[in-house]
Amino acid sequence: ETGVTQSPTHLIKTRGQQVTLRCSSQSGHNTVSWYQQALGQGPQFIFQYYREEENGRGNFPPRFSGLQFPNYSSELNVNALELDDSALYLCASSLAGRVLPSGTEAFFGQGTRLTVV
Amino acid sequence: TQLLEQSPQFLSIQEGENLTVYCNSSSVFSSLQWYRQEPGEGPVLLVTVVTGGEVKKLKRLTFQFGDARKDSSLHITAAQPGDTGLYLCAGVLGNDYKLSFGAGTTVTVRA
Repeated sequence: ETGVTQSPTHLIKTRGQQVTLRCSSQSGHNTVSWYQQALGQGPQFIFQYYREEENGRGNFPPRFSGLQFPNYSSELNVNALELDDSALYLCASSLAGRVLPSGTEAFFGQGTRLTVV
Repeated sequence: TQLLEQSPQFLSIQEGENLTVYCNSSSVFSSLQWYRQEPGEGPVLLVTVVTGGEVKKLKRLTFQFGDARKDSSLHITAAQPGDTGLYLCAGVLGNDYKLSFGAGTTVTVRA
C-alpha cells in the first residue's frame, strides 16, 4: 500500500471523446507526476505538478492537460482521444520541490487502464 | 530512443537459479531507482542508489550503481516464483524534475 489511489481502475472510451483520470496523493506529498505506460514498455513522463503549478512536461501534445488541487489531489485530462492513447496511466506522488532531489522516493498508484476503441 | 537501456528484455529461469538484470546509459544520473511491477499494478520501489560504486542489498537482491553513475545492475540470488514481475530501472538526470524509465525486464521464475 503506497497511499496513492487512482480512479477509475479501468475505462473504455471511444476515439474522439474526452477523459478525466483522478489521483489522490499520499498524505503530505506536495508533488504529483503522471506517466503513460504502453503495453510492454516502461512508463513515459507526461507532466508534473508542484503546489498546483505545472513543474515540467514530457513530449506529449497539449490535448494532455492536468490540474493539482489545494489538497494535492490531481487530475489528468485527455481530449480528442486517439487509439494510441490506450495505455496504463500512472500517477506518482512525492515530497519534492521544483527539482527532484537525488534519492527522493516516488510512490505510484495502481494505475488506470484506459482503452480507446 | 530510451535514455536507459535494460537487458535482457525477457528472462525465464528455474526456481533456485541466479539472475542479473542490467540498466545502461550514456548519461550520468544523480540517482537511480529500481522498481518491480506486477500485471495491472503500479511500480513498487525496491531501492534508490545515489553514490557511484554503491552496492545495496535487500535480502536476496543486490543492487549496484556504476562508478561513473551511468549504469546499474540488479542481481537476484536463489530466485523464487514470487520474484516474477517486470523490473524497471529509472534515473534522475542532474537537477531534473522527473524520472526517466527503462523499458523493463520481464522476469519469470518457474517453480
